[in-house]
Amino acid sequence: EDQVTQSPEALRLQEGESSSLNCSYTVSGLRGLFWYRQDPGKGPEFLFTLYSAGEEKEKERLKATLTKKESFLHITAPKPEDSATYLCAVLGGSNYKLTFGKGTLLTVNP
Amino acid sequence: DTAVSQTPKYLVTQMGNDKSIKCEQNLGHDTMYWYKQDSKKFLKIMFSYNNKELIINETVPNRFSPKSPDKAHLNLHINSLELGDSAVYFCASSQEEGYEQYFGPGTRLTVT
Repeated sequence: EDQVTQSPEALRLQEGESSSLNCSYTVSGLRGLFWYRQDPGKGPEFLFTLYSAGEEKEKERLKATLTKKESFLHITAPKPEDSATYLCAVLGGSNYKLTFGKGTLLTVNP
Repeated sequence: DTAVSQTPKYLVTQMGNDKSIKCEQNLGHDTMYWYKQDSKKFLKIMFSYNNKELIINETVPNRFSPKSPDKAHLNLHINSLELGDSAVYFCASSQEEGYEQYFGPGTRLTVT
């Protein structure tokens, strides 16, 4: 069964303090790794899809990278509006089922 | 325009009742999903439909029955509600199976 582990569970940063979130996965035949952002009381918002080791994608202050066993979401000079829960999910095997991690709650203080 | 919409946003009901949650997407996607997010915020797939055909049916009590009248709609009907059904239910859609999914705003179900 596919598994996704995200760390840390919670992360507090000062505005401008860069850091990284980790997503470790075990999957039978990775078809894609997805990053989502979820604000309180809202649905997950799609950020990135990564398909193969070595791939990188960027969007504003966020950069996602992928290796054969984990993915990192790097946040550069975060702002308070980056505060949210960041979810990682993998699509593996032949059943097209997305398996989510439990998320990292990021708080950026002004 | 809202891409994926759900109604109602909040649903409070008593044990034993039957309720439905509606979902509509205007993205022209072929695949739609239902997820359950529990109190620990863990998001888990329940069902997936592709072109009105059921393709994923996780280990969900048969009190839960999805219905897809057309490609743009996927409703969730729940019979004989139990306390443990309290959660936030999200609908999502994707262009095809395996593509990124776009989520609705969620329906918070509270069973008393």
